[in-house]
Amino acid sequence: IAGITQAPTSQILAAGRRMTLRCTQDMRHNAMYWYRQDLGLGLRLIHYSNTAGTTGKGEVPDGYSVSRANTDDFPLTLASAVPSQTSVYFCASSDSTSGNNEQFFGPGTRLTVL
Amino acid sequence: GQNIDQPTEMTATEGAIVQINCTYQTSGFNGLFWYQQHAGEAPTFLSYNVLDGLEEKGRFSSFLSRSKGYSYLLLKELQMKDSASYLCAVRDSNYQLIWGAGTKLIIKP
Repeated sequence: IAGITQAPTSQILAAGRRMTLRCTQDMRHNAMYWYRQDLGLGLRLIHYSNTAGTTGKGEVPDGYSVSRANTDDFPLTLASAVPSQTSVYFCASSDSTSGNNEQFFGPGTRLTVL
Repeated sequence: GQNIDQPTEMTATEGAIVQINCTYQTSGFNGLFWYQQHAGEAPTFLSYNVLDGLEEKGRFSSFLSRSKGYSYLLLKELQMKDSASYLCAVRDSNYQLIWGAGTKLIIKP
């Protein structure tokens, strides 16, 4: 089934622990994104990748890292989680060569850092 | 700074029409998007405007005025399933999306 998947669906994590959120798409989109969504705020871009092998920093990159070893996968790592990283994390992808370049979103990961 | 403003919450009646406004101030403009997000779910694409005017897609229409930094999403013949948050986003000069906080639309029977 074509689309974008994320894992885990939800996670409770102790502060200071390392955590990797996984994201995989099978649409062969060149661009991928990680957002966090917090109540009362718009989606905020953490990191992005315009093509495999390249990444860039978004609006709120501190405390997060990403890699893009291939087209399909774009994992997000929290090196040492802090309570302010409690949020819902969405991965998205887009084909920047097509039309309006709309972004397609994964189902999200709900992360709680205690 | 960059800013996208939309009402926090709106209420409408089933079968009626509702207009959700969005105003923006961004560094550059390369298109405006509307997404729908049901509670606990991912945002899904509704519409895209890059030129001034109205884009119609079934019960949903979206309007853009670039000179005014203004857009609206018009929903007609409201159904209960339209209860959701509606997110306005602008693609800026870096081709990144700047998102509003969303408008929660409550539909009453």
